[in-house]
Order: sequence, then structure tokens, then C-alpha cells
Amino acid sequence: RKEVEQDPGPFNVPEGATVAFNCTYSNSASQSFFWYRQDCRKEPKLLMSVYSSGNEDGRFTAQLNRASQYISLLIRDSKLSDSATYLCVVNIPFYSGSARQLTFGSGTQLTVLP
Amino acid sequence: GAGVSQSPRYKVAKRGQDVALRCDPISGHVSLFWYQQALGQGPEFLTYFQNEAQLDKSGLPSDRFFAERPEGSVSTLKIQRTQQEDSAVYLCASSLWNQPQHFGDGTRLSIL
Repeated sequence: RKEVEQDPGPFNVPEGATVAFNCTYSNSASQSFFWYRQDCRKEPKLLMSVYSSGNEDGRFTAQLNRASQYISLLIRDSKLSDSATYLCVVNIPFYSGSARQLTFGSGTQLTVLP
Repeated sequence: GAGVSQSPRYKVAKRGQDVALRCDPISGHVSLFWYQQALGQGPEFLTYFQNEAQLDKSGLPSDRFFAERPEGSVSTLKIQRTQQEDSAVYLCASSLWNQPQHFGDGTRLSIL
């Protein structure tokens, strides 16, 4: 079982639609959570961090449920430019000698159609 | 530029050849990570440096993979006796201590 699992996608939605992505993680010691965006043949870029209280950044809303080990991303009023792969990312606390590496899901591909 | 720089952007090698991939992190970033991304998958952790110290290499898939960061800045990922399964995008990321990671464009490695 992968440590971070996401909806397989792809999601094809019309412009202006609302779309939601879900993600679950297996390591209960995970403390930091993120959504990254990756355009085709480009590097991953941080979209937003995810906080326990939920957080919003413009049209994007992220939620975290620690009890269920579940993370979500909601995109409202989707734009053509939102077309990308969205990666759910977690990392575990840093302990001396261990790496603070990111653990990525496989990504969910979103295509927003005109 | 101010971002993470990787070279070469593309690398094609024959099976059995050795390759070296370079990462130039953002100036002042103490943490440096290497990831491997296969087609259709998310990046997977390979190794981590804090300054010049390689603190974790648990993600390196075999002893053919070797990474170094001798002066705590530029890092090189070396793959010896390449195999076809080594074909992937190799991503480097750097960060300040405990801050979000910034990724380079990656090196696309194809082993023929």
C-alpha cells in the first residue's frame, strides 16, 4: 500500500466548475501536509500548505482530517490555467539523522475544458 | 537565476554507461534533496543532504547510485552501470531549514 494515495483521475471539467481532490496517508506521525501542482514536463511547485483548521487561498480550499488521515483540495470556478497534475504531499517530523523528505502521491490529472 | 538549477536538462545514455547529474541549489539553502520521478508517478525520495553531510540515503535504489555534496552547495548524483529501469526524471530540491522545498526543472534521463 502506498503511503499517500490519491484519486486516480483524470478529471475533465468545464470552465467554471468546482472540482475536489481527495487524498489519504498511512503514516499517522505525518505532521506537515501540502498540495503541489505540476505542469506537464515541469517541476512540482508548492500550491498551498494544509492546516488542521482548513485554509483557503483564493479559489483553492484545503482541508485536513487527522483522525481519518485524509486531505482534500477544492478548486472553485476552475480556469483553463488550472489544468495540471495535483500532487498530495506529506512529511514526517524531523528527527536527528533522519530526512525531512516529502512523500508524494501519484498525482491527479486535471483538465479544464473551454 | 534565483531558483534551483539542474543540468543537463536531458541525458541519453546507453545501458551500462555511467552518468552524472548536477544540482545547483538556491544560495544559502542548507537542505538538498534528490527525488526520482517515473512516468505517471509522483516523485520518490532518494537522498538528503544537510550542508555537506548526507544524512539519509535510504531511498537510493541500489549501490549503483551515489550522491555527494562536498562543499555544501552543488550536488552531484551519479549512476553507475545504468539500466533501463533508471530512466526517469531526477529532481533536485533545496530548502532553508524546515521550510518548503523548491524544485529544479529536473534532468530527464533515458537509458537505451
